[in-house]
Amino acid sequence: QQQVKQSPQSLIVQKGGISIINCAYENTAFDYFPWYQQFPGKGPALLIAIRPDVSEKKEGRFTISFNKSAKQFSLHIMDSQPGDSATYFCAATFYTGNQFYFGTGTSLTVIP
Amino acid sequence: DGGITQSPKYLFRKEGQNVTLSCEQNLNHDAMYWYRQDPGQGLRLIYYSQIVNDFQKGDIAEGYSVSREKKESFPLTVTSAQKNPTAFYLCASSARDRGPDTQYFGPGTRLTVL
Repeated sequence: QQQVKQSPQSLIVQKGGISIINCAYENTAFDYFPWYQQFPGKGPALLIAIRPDVSEKKEGRFTISFNKSAKQFSLHIMDSQPGDSATYFCAATFYTGNQFYFGTGTSLTVIP
Repeated sequence: DGGITQSPKYLFRKEGQNVTLSCEQNLNHDAMYWYRQDPGQGLRLIYYSQIVNDFQKGDIAEGYSVSREKKESFPLTVTSAQKNPTAFYLCASSARDRGPDTQYFGPGTRLTVL
């Protein structure tokens, strides 16, 4: 059973537009939700993370929105740039644990 | 520089052969992980280890084996029992004693079975 469901599988956005990637989780005990960015042929790297005690976290052009009651969280990339073209993974884990549960990834292409 | 190294970057294997993928970290992290990445399937956990000389199976451990004899090393062996081993393999580590410290990933090894 997929613990974290991610959509869409792929996304094409024009330069300057907003990219939105959504994730939903099942286990209400999850309490840490990171997003990773992966460029082709490279390992994923942490982009931004949130805990469920806040509804939004912003770092530069990247924002996580968190809806605890709906068990959903999303990544918004404002003013999307061609350099943002990558695969994005959401994940969930327990604050006291180590095992991470990853979404299936979203391939983002930003068109100049 | 602190980080995770994986070697080799590319690996070719004939059917029926065992191969071992190397993963080394100098971050002093307790926990280490192996993931397999296939197109459209995200990251699937193969094995993880939270402490030296101890490891647990992940979701897709069949056909793989690991060892954790040293804190900084967590090699993965892909055995001939693994039916479809061609994939991108990622090693990661995290600090176990500081809450949900993020997982840091290595650059990956792409394994191709000929």
